[in-house]
Amino acid sequence: DAKTTQPTSMDCAEGRAANLPCNHSTISGNEYVYWYRQIHSQGPQYIIHGLKNNETNEMASLIITEDRKSSTLILPHATLRDTAVYYCIVQSNQGGKLIFGQGTELSVKP
Amino acid sequence: EPEVTQTPSHQVTQMGQEVILRCVPISNHLYFYWYRQILGQKVEFLVSFYNNEISEKSEIFDDQFSVERPDGSNFTLKIRSTKLEDSAMYFCASSEPGGYNEQFFGPGTRLTVL
Repeated sequence: DAKTTQPTSMDCAEGRAANLPCNHSTISGNEYVYWYRQIHSQGPQYIIHGLKNNETNEMASLIITEDRKSSTLILPHATLRDTAVYYCIVQSNQGGKLIFGQGTELSVKP
Repeated sequence: EPEVTQTPSHQVTQMGQEVILRCVPISNHLYFYWYRQILGQKVEFLVSFYNNEISEKSEIFDDQFSVERPDGSNFTLKIRSTKLEDSAMYFCASSEPGGYNEQFFGPGTRLTVL
């Protein structure tokens, strides 16, 4: 089973920041937090990952709490094309399987 | 930008037939995976493959399934004697060597078993 919990759905206004929370209270020291998204029926797409420090790339920012029990994915200026299901996944070993939960269905509205 | 490709995009087969789903991973990647997604359900891990052998498989991946890397570029999933419940999207993914690398997914093959 997935080791994370996420809200089932969220709405966001186009152009505003989308903040997607994730709880992973049982995360262990060697586990990273990964975020992927799936745009309708397409293959999942990697967004970002982190261990304990906040991370930023061209797609998003990842904020991980100091105790590492939760994190937030931030899409700074959401567009309609960001409408997708967002998955928060914890993964430990190199080459390991991804265990997908139900994710958060983000709807970006004009 | 390199990408994972999958063929065919849609496969229709009769129950009991064998199908082979094909994937071309990103060229310098060494870890390969198959996942499936039944319509309306979550993405499920099937199998991972490294160094020409299965490194992990789920309980879904029973004797009906097999994987192969026949020629150093393709990575295939064979499903013998397909069942109605095998109807799903099948996604191939690959990742680089080295720790904690992200997996790159292909566009998927939609398998329909009639």
